[in-house]
Amino acid sequence: EPEVTQTPSHQVTQMGQEVILRCVPISNHLYFYWYRQILGQKVEFLVSFYNNEISEKSEIFDDQFSVERPDGSNFTLKIRSTKLEDSAMYFCASGDSGANNEQFFGPGTRLTVL
Amino acid sequence: AQSVTQLGSHVSVSEGALVLLRCNYSSSVPPYLFWYVQYPNQGLQLLLKYTSAATLVKGINGFEAEFKKSETSFHLTKPSAHMSDAAEYFCAVRISGTYKYIFGTGTRLKVLA
Repeated sequence: EPEVTQTPSHQVTQMGQEVILRCVPISNHLYFYWYRQILGQKVEFLVSFYNNEISEKSEIFDDQFSVERPDGSNFTLKIRSTKLEDSAMYFCASGDSGANNEQFFGPGTRLTVL
Repeated sequence: AQSVTQLGSHVSVSEGALVLLRCNYSSSVPPYLFWYVQYPNQGLQLLLKYTSAATLVKGINGFEAEFKKSETSFHLTKPSAHMSDAAEYFCAVRISGTYKYIFGTGTRLKVLA
């Protein structure tokens, strides 16, 4: 069964450093998403991406965040200058149609900022 | 603003007992509703979804949920709890016309032997 994969599973970085979280969505999906879950809190939407552009973003997704689909298979989230409060589990999701409503989630990348 | 409320951050049931996890939403337009399960150190797995077809939705692992518009609820139930059901459960809503899911704060289910 096709699934969304994410690498790395755990990333540790120093405050101020740039990190790139990688995701491989399900191959025939066209809609891509990032969410985050700070430890003990609820899952929060960050951004959605379709047709090589951001279709929706939350107030969390400020200028230090960016997303990219560099090739036909990867979808990345870049945090330019990490802060302590960026420590969280980041989930990638993909869907084959916005109207279908179902998003398939990856296993997550746990980001720890020291 | 749209929101999802899950009553009870922790629920404990005995093995074989009924599981009831509560979810209420606020939305001025018909929503799409989902229940996800998260096992320790794993991602989010879809249990079931409501997309305006049948109001009673059956999902995986014996779970089901009923959409009640008059109560703005979408409670998750399972007739008989199994030890393997111990996990965190998230209710989520997607408002028609948007892409994002709004998640509840989650309910951690503990199943007692």
